[in-house]
Amino acid sequence: DQQVKQNSPSLSVQEGRISILNCDYTNSMFDYFLWYKKYPAEGPTFLISISSIKDKNEDGRFTVFLNKSAKHLSLHIVPSQPGDSAVYFCAAKNGGSQGNLIFGKGTKLSVKP
Amino acid sequence: DSGVTQTPKHLITATGQRVTLRCSPRSGDLSVYWYQQSLDQGLQFLIQYYNGEERAKGNILERFSAQQFPDLHSELNLSSLELGDSALYFCASSVASTLNEQFFGPGTRLTVL
Repeated sequence: DQQVKQNSPSLSVQEGRISILNCDYTNSMFDYFLWYKKYPAEGPTFLISISSIKDKNEDGRFTVFLNKSAKHLSLHIVPSQPGDSAVYFCAAKNGGSQGNLIFGKGTKLSVKP
Repeated sequence: DSGVTQTPKHLITATGQRVTLRCSPRSGDLSVYWYQQSLDQGLQFLIQYYNGEERAKGNILERFSAQQFPDLHSELNLSSLELGDSALYFCASSVASTLNEQFFGPGTRLTVL
């Protein structure tokens, strides 16, 4: 059973517009959420994270929103740039675990010039 | 460059064989994680080591084993290989056992023919 779900396999947006990537989770014990970006032939790169005690975290063009009641988080990229084209993975950590991450299947973002 | 190195980059082998994947964590990181990414799947946690000791196990098959050496590098051993073991294998490292941010290596692509 998938505990972290990214229901959109792909997303295409125009350069300069907002990209919104969504993620849903089922385990209420998750206490920390992360977004990773992955280019082809490279490992995932950490992008931004949010603790379950917050509902928003911002870092430059990237903002992550957390809605605990809905068990939903989203990543907003504004403005989107062609270099943002990559696969984005949502990941969660169980507060009681040793630290391993549980990943969604990823959303492939394409930003068109 | 995350500072995590993995060798080899590519590995092609036959069913029934055994292979060893190697990972060197970032300087100073004590914790090493192994993940498997099969086609169109998210990253699946396999196993975690912290300072030479096994800390957590995920969906790791009995045919797979790992260890972390005194110099903190880690090896993932895959034996009696099957076609379904073909995947990308990523190693990640972090400073502490429960620290949330993990840094990923570029991965080893294993192809079992």
